[in-house]
Amino acid sequence: KQEVTQIPAALSVPEGENLVLNCSFTDSAIYNLQWFRQDPGKGLTSLLLIQSSQREQTSGRLNASLDKSSGRSTLYIAASQPGDSATYLCAVGGISGSARQLTFGSGTQLTVLP
Amino acid sequence: NAGVTQTPKFRVLKTGQSMTLLCAQDMNHEYMYWYRQDPGMGLRLIHYSVGEGTTAKGEVPDGYNVSRLKKQNFLLGLESAAPSQTSVYFCASSYRPGQSYNEQFFGPGTRLTVL
Repeated sequence: KQEVTQIPAALSVPEGENLVLNCSFTDSAIYNLQWFRQDPGKGLTSLLLIQSSQREQTSGRLNASLDKSSGRSTLYIAASQPGDSATYLCAVGGISGSARQLTFGSGTQLTVLP
Repeated sequence: NAGVTQTPKFRVLKTGQSMTLLCAQDMNHEYMYWYRQDPGMGLRLIHYSVGEGTTAKGEVPDGYNVSRLKKQNFLLGLESAAPSQTSVYFCASSYRPGQSYNEQFFGPGTRLTVL
């Protein structure tokens, strides 16, 4: 059974810092990996999707990498801003099952201090 | 496009009552999912559907039933609510025919409290 771990559970940084959020998974046979953002009391917003054949994806100040062999993904946020404060969730899509179900980590709660 | 919408946004039930949560998507997606989110446990898949008229069990299906009578709608039912079903419920959808990828899009959630 796939298990997804995100460390640390919470992170606080001053505005302007570059930061890295970590995600690890136990089964390297994955279909894809998706990073989400969740604001308090809100739904999930998809940030980046990495297919299993890809090594990284970029969107604006965000860059996500994938290393299947080591079971790791990182989300890099450049020049952090207070508006980046949210919980970031990593989810791994399985290769078995017809709907490519996602297995989620518990998230990293990020606070960017002004 | 509205994306994925859920009704209701909030609901309080008494133990033993029943209710249905409605999810609708306007992206012509084939796949739809129901998750629950509990503190410290992340999101867990309850049921999912790969097309109109089909449903399948996820990780935590007990106490829930689902139906997908129309492609754009996915209903989650609680026949006899229990306090353990107090949670935030999220619906998601993904995959348009012809796409080579499967990116899931989420609704805003339904906060359910069972007393």
